[in-house]
Amino acid sequence: EPEVTQTPSHQVTQMGQEVILRCVPISNHLYFYWYRQILGQKVEFLVSFYNNEISEKSEIFDDQFSVERPDGSNFTLKIRSTKLEDSAMYFCASSNSVLNSYNEQFFGPGTRLTVL
Amino acid sequence: DAKTTQPNSMESNEEEPVHLPCNHSTISGTDYIHWYRQLPSQGPEYVIHGLTSNVNNRMASLAIAEDRKSSTLILHRATLRDAAVYYCILRRAGGTSYGKLTFGQGTILTVHP
Repeated sequence: EPEVTQTPSHQVTQMGQEVILRCVPISNHLYFYWYRQILGQKVEFLVSFYNNEISEKSEIFDDQFSVERPDGSNFTLKIRSTKLEDSAMYFCASSNSVLNSYNEQFFGPGTRLTVL
Repeated sequence: DAKTTQPNSMESNEEEPVHLPCNHSTISGTDYIHWYRQLPSQGPEYVIHGLTSNVNNRMASLAIAEDRKSSTLILHRATLRDAAVYYCILRRAGGTSYGKLTFGQGTILTVHP
C-alpha cells in the first residue's frame, strides 16, 4: 500500500539554525500539506501546496517558513531560523483530490523537531 | 469552518461497539463531515466521511442525524488497536479551501482488554 514517508524521524537543532524537513508524498497525488502538533496540543494546519505554488497558508506559516517541491517526488518544509516554540511534530500529508466527495488525506509518520 | 464539539474522552471494552458522538449545530448545507483518528505516536489517519446519508466502510460506520446537527462514528467491535484520538471535522464544499483540515481536540478513546 502506498504511503507518505518523512525524514528524518527526529531532528535536533540549535535555536537560530535552519532546518529542512523532507517528505515523499504518494506518487500520483497532486495536493500536499504540512501540519504541526506541539506536544499535548491539537494538530494545526500550516500550508497547502498545489501546482508548484502555495494555495493556502495559516497565520503560523510566516516568513520563516517556506515549502518547495524540488523534484518530482520530494516536498520540503524549511524553517530559516528556528525558535524554541517551533519544537513540535511536523506531519506531511498528500491527497489526489480536494473535492469534498473524495478528499482523503494521507499523513506521514511525522518528524519530531526539537529546538534547543 | 463550522465548529464541532466532541467529548474529551470515552472508554470501551474490547470487542464491544463504540459510539463516538460529534455535535455540529452550526453545520451548513454544503459541509461534509469527516472523521480522522490519530493512533499513539502516529500521524492522523482518515476513517470515513459523509454528507447526509449514513456511510459504511471497512473501518467504521457514520450515522448522520436527519437535521445534520450531529453525527456518530460507530466502531462495531473495538480492538486494542482502535485506541486513538478521534477527530470530527467539517469541510465546506467549494470555496477557496484546498483541502485544509481544521482539527479540534478530538475524543481520546481508551479500549480495555
